[in-house]
Amino acid sequence: AQRVTQPEKLLSVFKGAPVELKCNYSYSGSPELFWYVQYSRQRLQLLLRHISRESIKGFTADLNKGETSFHLKKPFAQEEDSAMYYCALGTEVIFGPGTSLSVIP
Amino acid sequence: DAGVIQSPRHEVTEMGQEVTLRCKPISGHNSLFWYRQTMMRGLELLIYFNNNVPIDDSGMPEDRFSAKMPNASFSTLKIQPSEPRDSAVYFCASSLALGLPGGAFFGQGTRLTVV
Repeated sequence: AQRVTQPEKLLSVFKGAPVELKCNYSYSGSPELFWYVQYSRQRLQLLLRHISRESIKGFTADLNKGETSFHLKKPFAQEEDSAMYYCALGTEVIFGPGTSLSVIP
Repeated sequence: DAGVIQSPRHEVTEMGQEVTLRCKPISGHNSLFWYRQTMMRGLELLIYFNNNVPIDDSGMPEDRFSAKMPNASFSTLKIQPSEPRDSAVYFCASSLALGLPGGAFFGQGTRLTVV
């Protein structure tokens, strides 16, 4: 069955520290993966797509088919990164439960 | 609570037909959102309501789309007439309040195919 898991509901890091939001998926075919972010008092928005191989706001995510993971990383966390992050399996449109990131000043 | 409930889960219809998608938000949630998910554009917000009142419908693609929220426990998204390019997964989400840091809770989505 297709599934997306984000093992951490809450993640707190200090400003300037590296951050990694974990995402694992279960899918038999070739997956299409996204990261979405929702900042406080703002709508949910697309952060990045694995097919774009882009870096948005300093975040990157690499698809690892061997580990079936799509972890979101940023080398130096900023306070404005505090938000809710959702990993999504686009092919079957399945969202993970989300991880709330809190960056401590 | 069973979470946000959407129906139907799958809908296949012919071009030109009217399509109605339904959503039941989580009880007590004041905000309701309709999103559309496509491979090319990802997740797009179509419209959202706060206390049953539409707040922002700027994401509604065109006049063929309309949404209503007659009461706090029910909302519909209607497409009339439907077109093949409307094929997508439509999500409904609800939250306790607009911009709640904890985020919105999403329904399972309705996969719409217009042939």
